[in-house]
Amino acid sequence: DVKVTQSSRYLVKRTGEKVFLECVQDMDHENMFWYRQDPGLGLRLIYFSYDVKMKEKGDIPEGYSVSREKKERFSLILESASTNQTSMYLCASSSHGLAGGEQYFGPGTRLTVT
Amino acid sequence: GQNIDQPTEMTATEGAIVQINCTYQTSGFNGLFWYQQHAGEAPTFLSYNVLDGLEEKGRFSSFLSRSKGYSYLLLKELQMKDSASYLCAVRDQAAGNKLTFGGGTRVLVKP
Repeated sequence: DVKVTQSSRYLVKRTGEKVFLECVQDMDHENMFWYRQDPGLGLRLIYFSYDVKMKEKGDIPEGYSVSREKKERFSLILESASTNQTSMYLCASSSHGLAGGEQYFGPGTRLTVT
Repeated sequence: GQNIDQPTEMTATEGAIVQINCTYQTSGFNGLFWYQQHAGEAPTFLSYNVLDGLEEKGRFSSFLSRSKGYSYLLLKELQMKDSASYLCAVRDQAAGNKLTFGGGTRVLVKP
């Protein structure tokens, strides 16, 4: 059974704090993604990675960074959390290949920045 | 850039059929995905279309017309558990094969 796990389901942080969100997948997938989901805005891609140590900016990378030191782990970092980063954060992974390659999502982390 | 449009909300009766439309504009179309997301949960994969036509999976079917930039998800014999949001996502080869999601359609199934 495929599995993507995220380090926390709920997180409350203060403005200015550094925040780490961890994602681990056990499917040996090459691709990993970080999204945020907000009411009325849908899922928006923050960063993604095609391989270890590789990263690509998504549609809304400002205020975020990522790290992929191991194939199974993809971390999202908020260098200095702000209230407008309060959101649901979803991690996903997929295999390479154009035939299918559907993304599998983790359960999400609901982050509140106060 | 890409533009993906789907209705915000739909209501249907248990046992009925509902069709959720999705229109898109993209420069390097390389597949369309439908996901289901129950409130408070992660999206789960439903279907994938890359060629024109209908893909059927039990009570759910998905249709694609690449020339029209159009897809629909058909839910038949609706059950209460089908109340969820349905997300349309397009993969664009010109954008590194990443997915771009529509805003989602919230479907409410009533008894």
